[in-house]
Order: sequence, then C-alpha cells, then structure tokens
Amino acid sequence: DQQVKQNSPSLSVQEGRISILNCDYTNSMFDYFLWYKKYPAEGPTFLISISSIKDKNEDGRFTVFLNKSAKHLSLHIVPSQPGDSAVYFCAASTIQGAQKLVFGQGTRLTINP
Amino acid sequence: KAGVTQTPRYLIKTRGQQVTLSCSPISGHRSVSWYQQTPGQGLQFLFEYFSETQRNKGNFPGRFSGRQFSNSRSEMNVSTLELGDSALYLCASSAPLAGPETQYFGPGTRLLVL
Repeated sequence: DQQVKQNSPSLSVQEGRISILNCDYTNSMFDYFLWYKKYPAEGPTFLISISSIKDKNEDGRFTVFLNKSAKHLSLHIVPSQPGDSAVYFCAASTIQGAQKLVFGQGTRLTINP
Repeated sequence: KAGVTQTPRYLIKTRGQQVTLSCSPISGHRSVSWYQQTPGQGLQFLFEYFSETQRNKGNFPGRFSGRQFSNSRSEMNVSTLELGDSALYLCASSAPLAGPETQYFGPGTRLLVL
C-alpha cells in the first residue's frame, strides 16, 4: 500500500527552465510534507517542507505547492541548475508520528546544459 | 559538528546469515530512525528509537530488529537474510522535540545478499 506516490521515475529539464516534480498521497491524516534531495553515495538532505495549513511555501529557487483536496503536492525549481541533478523524494508525516516519514519512490531529475 | 555516521558502508552476506548495522547520531540527538531504500519501493520506514525505547515501528517482519544504547548509538539487526533484503539501509537522527524536517541522514550501509 503505497501511501505516497511519485509517478514519474525520471524527469529531464533544460538548464534555466522550470522543473516541476509531482507527488500524490492517499492518507488524509498526513499533515506535514517534505521534499528531500539525494545524491549518489549520500543520504537524503532536507530541501523544503509545508504544513497542511498552508498551500504554498517558498525558499529561494524552490517552491512547494500543496493541494489538499486533490491530495497532491508539487515542487517547483526555478531556474533549474546543473547542480540540481539528483533524486528527489517527497515524504509525509503525521503529528503523532513526526519522525516516521513515509516516502515516495523518488524522481531522478536531470538538468541538461 | 560531525554528521550521522554509519558502519560498515558496504556489506556482502549470503542467504540465511544475519547482519548488524551501526549508526552513530549527531551529538545531542536522541532520536534515531532507520529506513530501507530499494529501487522499486523508495525509502521505507523500519523503526525509530528514542532514549533507548522503540517509539515507532514500520511494517517489516520480525527478522528486522533494532536497539539503542545509552549514548544514543543505534544498531539494527537482520536475521535469516533473504535476497530481497539487499538494499541501502539509512539511519537518521534528530534532536529532542524536533520536527521531521530536522532529520539528518547518514550515507547509508549498502547490503548485498547473495
């Protein structure tokens, strides 16, 4: 039972353009959502998060949008840079299980020069 | 501040054997969580330890177990290894009362079961 899904295993974007990564979830109890970035041979690093009481959170080039009615979130990266090439995971948690993150399968983003 | 360290980084075992992986959290962090990463399933939560007690548990069979020591270091053990246990095992630590975004991940232990 995959409660958090990233349906695109890979995404290729030209440098300078917008990258949009998508994530869907099924559990309506989730109230906190996060995006992680992972390079090979390293652990995931936290990128940006959003609480369920918000619909948008911005941090520099990264913006996360949350649509609770559709149970969908997306990560926008503008402008995309070669260093953004990595695997991106979305994750969700509940207040009760704050440290118990439920991850999607990941999307490999490749930024082409 | 030193990051989360995991040992060993790579491990090869055969079916039926058991394995113990170690995780040293960031100094001052008392919560340690373990995740299994496989290509098709992404990262799946195994368990979380806080102050030597298991606080949360994922949906893994009893062959997967863990413990935490008084210095917050944690170990996970997998008994009777199966081919499907081949994966990257990640641990993450966080400070007391911290939110989920403050989980810091180690580089992982890559386990290959032959």
